[in-house]
Amino acid sequence: GQNIDQPTEMTATEGAIVQINCTYQTSGFNGLFWYQQHAGEAPTFLSYNVLDGLEEKGRFSSFLSRSKGYSYLLLKELQMKDSASYLCAVIQGDYKLSFGAGTTVTVRA
Amino acid sequence: DVKVTQSSRYLVKRTGEKVFLECVQDMDHENMFWYRQDPGLGLRLIYFSYDVKMKEKGDIPEGYSVSREKKERFSLILESASTNQTSMYLCASLPGQGKTQYFGPGTRLLVL
Repeated sequence: GQNIDQPTEMTATEGAIVQINCTYQTSGFNGLFWYQQHAGEAPTFLSYNVLDGLEEKGRFSSFLSRSKGYSYLLLKELQMKDSASYLCAVIQGDYKLSFGAGTTVTVRA
Repeated sequence: DVKVTQSSRYLVKRTGEKVFLECVQDMDHENMFWYRQDPGLGLRLIYFSYDVKMKEKGDIPEGYSVSREKKERFSLILESASTNQTSMYLCASLPGQGKTQYFGPGTRLLVL
């Protein structure tokens, strides 16, 4: 099986930065995804990393270190609408996704 | 835009009932998936299908079956619903050469 660990909850203030860590132990690693899921809604794609390093996309960045089995999602200039669950998922082979339990981020005014 | 739709947002069923959850995608994707999502456990794969009439078990297939008679439609079947199948069920689709799965809005099932 796969072990994918991420914190359960995080709280931050509007305008601040939050970093959500994800560690994984898996075989057949073929990339790591971050999804955002607002309460009662479908998960939506945020980022995909397959090589080591930082990928920046607007206010969101994602980092991967394959040798350490580690990724983080960085959310900058937090807005109230960023309050959501953030799901770390590892892909094995072509399509098998294994998910962490998700991190609920609460943004306070 | 990829659109994945699920037949119901909320369902209430009784123990022992046969339950059908339907998922339709409009982008001609080869691969489709059924997950359940439970607090503290994340999304877990029940079944997936990589072509019409083809299916493979995921991590937690017990108590479920699936049907894919047409490319755009993937059905999840609970032969005899039990209370431990109360959950959020999410369908997803994936193009043949892609890596990103696209999710439907989910069906919240309550089994009494």
